[in-house]
Amino acid sequence: DAKTTQPNSMESNEEEPVHLPCNHSTISGTDYIHWYRQLPSQGPEYVIHGLTSNVNNRMASLAIAEDRKSSTLILHRATLRDAAVYYCILSNTGNQFYFGTGTSLTVIP
Amino acid sequence: NAGVTQTPKFQVLKTGQSMTLQCAQDMNHEYMSWYRQDPGMGLRLIHYSVGAGITDQGEVPNGYNVSRSTTEDFPLRLLSAAPSQTSVYFCASSSQGTGYEQYFGPGTRLTVT
Repeated sequence: DAKTTQPNSMESNEEEPVHLPCNHSTISGTDYIHWYRQLPSQGPEYVIHGLTSNVNNRMASLAIAEDRKSSTLILHRATLRDAAVYYCILSNTGNQFYFGTGTSLTVIP
Repeated sequence: NAGVTQTPKFQVLKTGQSMTLQCAQDMNHEYMSWYRQDPGMGLRLIHYSVGAGITDQGEVPNGYNVSRSTTEDFPLRLLSAAPSQTSVYFCASSSQGTGYEQYFGPGTRLTVT
């Protein structure tokens, strides 16, 4: 199982962009890169996922390095509701997800 | 759609007791899974199912049993609870496996004394 490495915590000012990094140097060619977030006392929530190209949706953008060994989740304007633990996960056809400990994002008003 | 529902929300068990955590989804998803989350940790996969009648072990399956008799339901059974099973349990489903968006339930907080 390919593993990911994320900073334990990050802070951002409200209404500023946030860049959450993730390293996955052992990624294989068939691994998708997923991001989920977990608000306090809730189950994880899907944010975005991609394979090779950068991806955008209503919640965030995902920037994937050309060699795919790292990626960055971009929240364009952080709000207080974005304070959560963000998990970067790799998945393939093996039907198993491996969550790490994630990055705890604090948004400062 | 109710999405993924879990019952109960909270449960306290004594060591050696058995119980079943219920999980149901109304999205006609083939893939369902159970995770546990210990304090300050990420989620760890216990068991998963790719369709009715098919289950497989995840990262931490010991002490837990599952079955999948219908597409909608995926119960998790603790046969003889141990304090080490104190955790928050999350059920998830997706249309075709981990390559697709997974929907998580609200969780069951279990304490074993």
